[in-house]
Amino acid sequence: KQEVTQIPAALSVPEGENLVLNCSFTDSAIYNLQWFRQDPGKGLTSLLLIQSSQREQTSGRLNASLDKSSGRSTLYIAASQPGDSATYLCAVYGDQGGKLIFGQGTELSVKP
Amino acid sequence: NAGVMQNPRHLVRRRGQEARLRCSPMKGHSHVYWYRQLPEEGLKFMVYLQKENIIDESGMPKERFSAEFPKEGPSILRIQQVVRGDSAAYFCASSPQEEQYFGPGTRLTVT
Repeated sequence: KQEVTQIPAALSVPEGENLVLNCSFTDSAIYNLQWFRQDPGKGLTSLLLIQSSQREQTSGRLNASLDKSSGRSTLYIAASQPGDSATYLCAVYGDQGGKLIFGQGTELSVKP
Repeated sequence: NAGVMQNPRHLVRRRGQEARLRCSPMKGHSHVYWYRQLPEEGLKFMVYLQKENIIDESGMPKERFSAEFPKEGPSILRIQQVVRGDSAAYFCASSPQEEQYFGPGTRLTVT
């Protein structure tokens, strides 16, 4: 049974810092992996989708990497801003078109 | 292209009533997924549907919950005889094939 774990559960950093969020999964036979952002009381915003054949994806200040063999993904946020404060969710696809399995999330707070 | 639409955004029901949650997928998307986020818990998969078919309902509670995605109209998640433990945020996602796009959610409160 696939399980997804995110560490740390919460993180507080001063504005301008670079930071890394971690995601691990127990079954390396994943299809794709997706990072989301969720603001309090809101829905999910997709940040990056990494296909199983890829090792990383970049969008602006965000970079996500995927190492299937070790069951890990990281989300790197450069030059953090207060507007980055949110909960970041990692989710894996078990197979094409299938359900997403989510981690518990990392709650990020960026202090001005 | 409008995003995934969900309504209502907030729904209050008394114990024993029925709750009907609606999801309109993005245009051209034929796959719909429902997820539930209980207070202080992560998002959990409930059901995956394609037009007129349930593909995977492994996350659905065995009783009181049902879902449909008819040929015409939105997908419906129906909860009969709601209990306080059903209070949660219910999210719908749609996809054309791979990447899922999420709606804003329906927050159900059972009093």
